[in-house]
Amino acid sequence: GAVVSQHPSWVICKSGTSVKIECRSLDFQATTMFWYRQFPKQSLMLMATSNEGSKATYEQGVEKDKFLINHASLTLSTLTVTSAHPEDSSFYICSAPGQPPLNLAKNIQYFGAGTRLSVL
Amino acid sequence: KNQVEQSPQSLIILEGKNCTLQCNYTVSPFSNLRWYKQDTGRGPVSLTIMTFSENTKSNGRYTATLDADTKQSSLHITASQLSDSASYICVVSFNAGNNRKLIWGLGTSLAVNP
Repeated sequence: GAVVSQHPSWVICKSGTSVKIECRSLDFQATTMFWYRQFPKQSLMLMATSNEGSKATYEQGVEKDKFLINHASLTLSTLTVTSAHPEDSSFYICSAPGQPPLNLAKNIQYFGAGTRLSVL
Repeated sequence: KNQVEQSPQSLIILEGKNCTLQCNYTVSPFSNLRWYKQDTGRGPVSLTIMTFSENTKSNGRYTATLDADTKQSSLHITASQLSDSASYICVVSFNAGNNRKLIWGLGTSLAVNP
């Protein structure tokens, strides 16, 4: 089946530093990827839609200058949390929709394992 | 307002027992409804996806139902196992212009005890 790899799985950083999270589709191409954030005991919240070769689309209330998204290839999207602060501590998850020609269900979202960010 | 509400919020059952989780939604125009299983600290894993015309769909011990008229869905877990302990999330997809959006429920936290 389709695999979405997310790296790192856990990162601890000092306040004010930037953290980059990678999301890779390992056996299929993803022209679109989604980035979510999840706080404890809350549902996933869509932050932005990453589009290969063009600018990301951010959800209302998400600061595009703080959460930089780069979708440089058909298999890689990155989320950079710039000047991270303790309130940015959260669980970040990426997903990619299944696309043909690998007979993946087009409506299925394949999720990475998530990245737990702790900002001290 | 597009909303997805799940009940119960949490549930504890004994291993081997069955359980049913509920999902009510007020999302329009409806595209499809998905159930995900999310283990603690992991990304969600898709269990089922149902379109408007589907009433029941099974995936092993998981059976999802959909009543598009009443806008209700349920996820039935049969013969529960310890590994079923997780959060089960109902997600409803709707069309917003040229884009498809997802509305996530808060999930039901299921604990299966030996």
